[in-house]
Amino acid sequence: AQSVSQHNHHVILSEAASLELGCNYSYGGTVNLFWYVQYPGQHLQLLLKYFSGDPLVKGIKGFEAEFIKSKFSFNLRKPSVQWSDTAEYFCAVNLRTGANNLFFGTGTRLTVIP
Amino acid sequence: DAGVIQSPRHEVTEMGQEVTLRCKPISGHDYLFWYRQTMMRGLELLIYFNNNVPIDDSGMPEDRFSAKMPNASFSTLKIQPSEPRDSAVYFCASSLTSGGAGTDTQYFGPGTRLTVL
Repeated sequence: AQSVSQHNHHVILSEAASLELGCNYSYGGTVNLFWYVQYPGQHLQLLLKYFSGDPLVKGIKGFEAEFIKSKFSFNLRKPSVQWSDTAEYFCAVNLRTGANNLFFGTGTRLTVIP
Repeated sequence: DAGVIQSPRHEVTEMGQEVTLRCKPISGHDYLFWYRQTMMRGLELLIYFNNNVPIDDSGMPEDRFSAKMPNASFSTLKIQPSEPRDSAVYFCASSLTSGGAGTDTQYFGPGTRLTVL
């Protein structure tokens, strides 16, 4: 069965620290990849997405993610986090098999200490 | 654009009662998804529709759960009878098909926080 793994359940960083959140998926075919963010008490919002082309994708608020096909990974990065980045981050994968549902990872909670 | 609209935002009910959650997708979107989010299980897909037709309901936990989409602008998720373990945040999302390249971005509603006492 397809799965999406986010190995970091809770990450705590100080402001200005660099961030990298891991995401791995288990599917050998072509995929679309997404990172969503959920700020406290709010709904999920798209951070960035990858469909094709340049494997380094830039999103909103200074986030970026790199698709490494050989590693089945789509890690999220930000060079310098801010307190306002405190949120839960979800990686999601869509399998291009005709089905249109997303498979979500379990999420990583990021706490940024001022 | 108003985005995906869900109602109610909060619902508190007693065990055994019927609960109906409502969703209005973004106009023009042809996919609608219902998710449930809990601390224990994270974000789970319950069911999704394409052009008002249910495509995959394998995530619906039990027969107590049912979902309908009578038209392109409205969907309901019903729980009858409700149980305390149904307490969760229920999200609705909609998206537009990206021409055979899989799903495009899903836009989420604000969610309905359901508490079953």
